[in-house]
Amino acid sequence: EVLLVESGGGLIQPGGSLRLSCAASGFSVSNTHMSWVRQAPGKGLEWVSVIYSGGSTYYVDSVKGRFTISRDESENTLSLHMNRLRAEDTAVYYCARGFSSSWYRFLFWGQGALVTVSS
Amino acid sequence: QSVLTQPPSVSGAPGQRITISCTGSSSNIGAGYDVHWYQQVPGAAPKFLIFGNTDRASGVPDRFSGSRSGTSASLAITGLQAEDEAHYYCQSYDVSLLGSVFGGGTKVTVL
Repeated sequence: EVLLVESGGGLIQPGGSLRLSCAASGFSVSNTHMSWVRQAPGKGLEWVSVIYSGGSTYYVDSVKGRFTISRDESENTLSLHMNRLRAEDTAVYYCARGFSSSWYRFLFWGQGALVTVSS
Repeated sequence: QSVLTQPPSVSGAPGQRITISCTGSSSNIGAGYDVHWYQQVPGAAPKFLIFGNTDRASGVPDRFSGSRSGTSASLAITGLQAEDEAHYYCQSYDVSLLGSVFGGGTKVTVL
């Protein structure tokens, strides 16, 4: 059974850093395209970042240079390192697994981790 | 402002047919990239609904159907039921942004 469990969310001051983790089970994160998607309170979904199975990474413009996506094969986890956080980064962050034939086809999602950026 | 445009809300009576439009451009839907659809109820993660423009995910009732034409896509729900009340999001890939894009979401209300 595929399972994704996010952790690491919380309250952080503007300009601070936070690391989100997504523990995967039922498959290997290293063999799969994995993404982060966020949803600001009362707003729609926004794709944030992807790490392809081959290791290439891409980001939405608003987080480029501040966020870094990575994976740990030994722990079978996906991470999102978030630096220089802004109020507009406040959102529920979901990790999502893509398909090999379509990396942005998200059948499996985690339950989400809330990140609140506020002083 | 989302790259893919959806109506903010659509409503219908039980048993009726509704459609949700998703309008993109030549760098996403119009470029031939697949459109996927998701259903989200409050407090829950999105649920995968339609993939590859027209194919239903496993377990999704055949009341749900998807289509694509030109730079737009649509989700239709026939025989609307109370349990269909939710937000619906379209999604595609944008070659100029090198990333996935979502529509702003449509809230479906069953009258």
